[in-house]
Amino acid sequence: DTGVSQDPRHKITKRGQNVTFRCDPISEHNRLYWYRQTLGQGPEFLTYFQNEAQLEKSRLLSDRFSAERPKGSFSTLEIQRTEQGDSAMYLCASRGPYYGYTFGSGTRLTVV
Amino acid sequence: EDQVTQSPEALRLQEGESSSLNCSYTVSGLRGLFWYRQDPGKGPEFLFTLYSAGEEKEKERLKATLTKKESFLHITAPKPEDSATYLCAVQADSGGSNYKLTFGKGTLLTVNP
Repeated sequence: DTGVSQDPRHKITKRGQNVTFRCDPISEHNRLYWYRQTLGQGPEFLTYFQNEAQLEKSRLLSDRFSAERPKGSFSTLEIQRTEQGDSAMYLCASRGPYYGYTFGSGTRLTVV
Repeated sequence: EDQVTQSPEALRLQEGESSSLNCSYTVSGLRGLFWYRQDPGKGPEFLFTLYSAGEEKEKERLKATLTKKESFLHITAPKPEDSATYLCAVQADSGGSNYKLTFGKGTLLTVNP
């Protein structure tokens, strides 16, 4: 058990490009969450998966955002046509039935 | 809508100077209140979960307490390595099963040697 892994750690992209982030949760955790954190703010909920099913999406998740969790293992978060306002830290967390939430180190996205 | 307010936004202490951080919350029904520590450029690191008013938990120099409206994180004789942002989050009993967390903005703690 190496915790929650996120890749890449940092991503710099030009406005209008598409980006994809990956999260590998703790293997026995069936719940997976994506959060977004901007400077000076706490993390904000984006979306939630239980196994492979995406059960909730925040109003923050515009049509340009899509998330998947095929086979209930790793998850990807894709942002299409990036905007400068998408610049943030994207955090992934996983949770099992009896454990607390474990966060990854995040992916820092900078849109230039 | 669930709300979490943390105060102060920033706190500067001298090494050994004890203090407390506050987290006020408004939720439809509290399932759990969480405290996390976050270092710059890293993800939040779990500290405590509190479930009911009157509950207290301790870890080294940190002690978390919970009432029906707020939680306190007490820091006793802090050291420079305690410098970090401390985040409070609530998990509400909204009737669903997503168990998502709602965070406050955090308190940036700086401990000077």
